[in-house]
Amino acid sequence: KAGVTQTPRYLIKTRGQQVTLSCSPISGHRSVSWYQQTPGQGLQFLFEYFSETQRNKGNFPGRFSGRQFSNSRSEMNVSTLELGDSALYLCASSYNRVGGTEAFFGQGTRLTVV
Amino acid sequence: GQNIDQPTEMTATEGAIVQINCTYQTSGFNGLFWYQQHAGEAPTFLSYNVLDGLEEKGRFSSFLSRSKGYSYLLLKELQMKDSASYLCAALYNNNDMRFGAGTRLTVKP
Repeated sequence: KAGVTQTPRYLIKTRGQQVTLSCSPISGHRSVSWYQQTPGQGLQFLFEYFSETQRNKGNFPGRFSGRQFSNSRSEMNVSTLELGDSALYLCASSYNRVGGTEAFFGQGTRLTVV
Repeated sequence: GQNIDQPTEMTATEGAIVQINCTYQTSGFNGLFWYQQHAGEAPTFLSYNVLDGLEEKGRFSSFLSRSKGYSYLLLKELQMKDSASYLCAALYNNNDMRFGAGTRLTVKP
């Protein structure tokens, strides 16, 4: 079966712009989580969506938002981009994160803010 | 907080055994994951521990002590392809999964 698909793979934006990233989970998976990965900080949890509802949120400013559609596809939006937002954004899908179900990661979107 | 702590870097020799440790906050803890991430690639699942003890899966084993807030990943018969970052992640009661910063393992010939 197809894996987790993230688009685009690479993105270059300028400060102050906004960006939308997309994640298509594995078919049948209802939980989608987003993470920011930087060399110094490792994987930082952004938020998790389950059945179109945000179930959990990390410690990121309100400029970071997301949503999930009825087909479980998820989008993440970052407004008013800052240089420090440059990172690899990873999406992970699982059937249901409760109970420790294994999460499958996408290849990520590499965002560069200049 | 839910700090997940693991060493930043480790180096080992091909054919040897290496143990990567991870400590986490025990309050609200539900289970412990290990993921492997090669440079430029997505993390891939290695193991999941929810009960105390050692889980063995081929050359890789993972151990958990819930009372101590401690886990380790044991890699035996190291191969060059095992050079990667190893991520420890703890799942908490509120469906929150927190990752450590990762341990970058370098396997040398």
